[in-house]
Amino acid sequence: RKEVEQDPGPFNVPEGATVAFNCTYSNSASQSFFWYRQDCRKEPKLLMSVYSSGNEDGRFTAQLNRASQYISLLIRDSKLSDSATYLCVVNMWGSSASKIIFGSGTRLSIRP
Amino acid sequence: SAVISQKPSRDICQRGTSLTIQCQVDSQVTMMFWYRQQPGQSLTLIATANQGSEATYESGFVIDKFPISRPNLTFSTLTVSNMSPEDSSIYLCSVEPRGSYNEQFFGPGTRLTVL
Repeated sequence: RKEVEQDPGPFNVPEGATVAFNCTYSNSASQSFFWYRQDCRKEPKLLMSVYSSGNEDGRFTAQLNRASQYISLLIRDSKLSDSATYLCVVNMWGSSASKIIFGSGTRLSIRP
Repeated sequence: SAVISQKPSRDICQRGTSLTIQCQVDSQVTMMFWYRQQPGQSLTLIATANQGSEATYESGFVIDKFPISRPNLTFSTLTVSNMSPEDSSIYLCSVEPRGSYNEQFFGPGTRLTVL
């Protein structure tokens, strides 16, 4: 089982739609969680951190479910500019140090 | 956040040669990281480069192939040694600024093609 697994995508949705991505992680001792977005041929950029109580930033809502070991990202009223690859990132604690693990990414394409 | 630059932005190299990639950040940071992203894939951590100590390499990556320098708190280099076509990839550095909680910020990447 991969340490961080994401919906494979691609998701192709119309502008204005609501879309949700899930991500599961294998290490229950994971400490911190993030969503990054990566545009084609660009570096990943931090979209939002994911807090235990869940958090919202405009049209974006992130949730964490520690019991089931998954995080989610909800995008409401999607825009054409939301088209990108969304990376789930988990900071896992190993035997001696923490390690950042990137998911394989979910491609999102918003159509007019 | 932090402003990070990388040089070169891209290069085409012959097999058997080496390339050194530079990463410069606009503020002092303790944690710097080097990643590889192969075409169509996600990021794989190569090593963590902390100032004042040896770099820590992930499984599958060795110092002889990817030597790293970290001379100060704003700069690091990654060398890809004795390159083969399989090393063709995007190489990215990232930093974890002081005060952030595991949040990483990435440089623009170096696109390497090995012929």
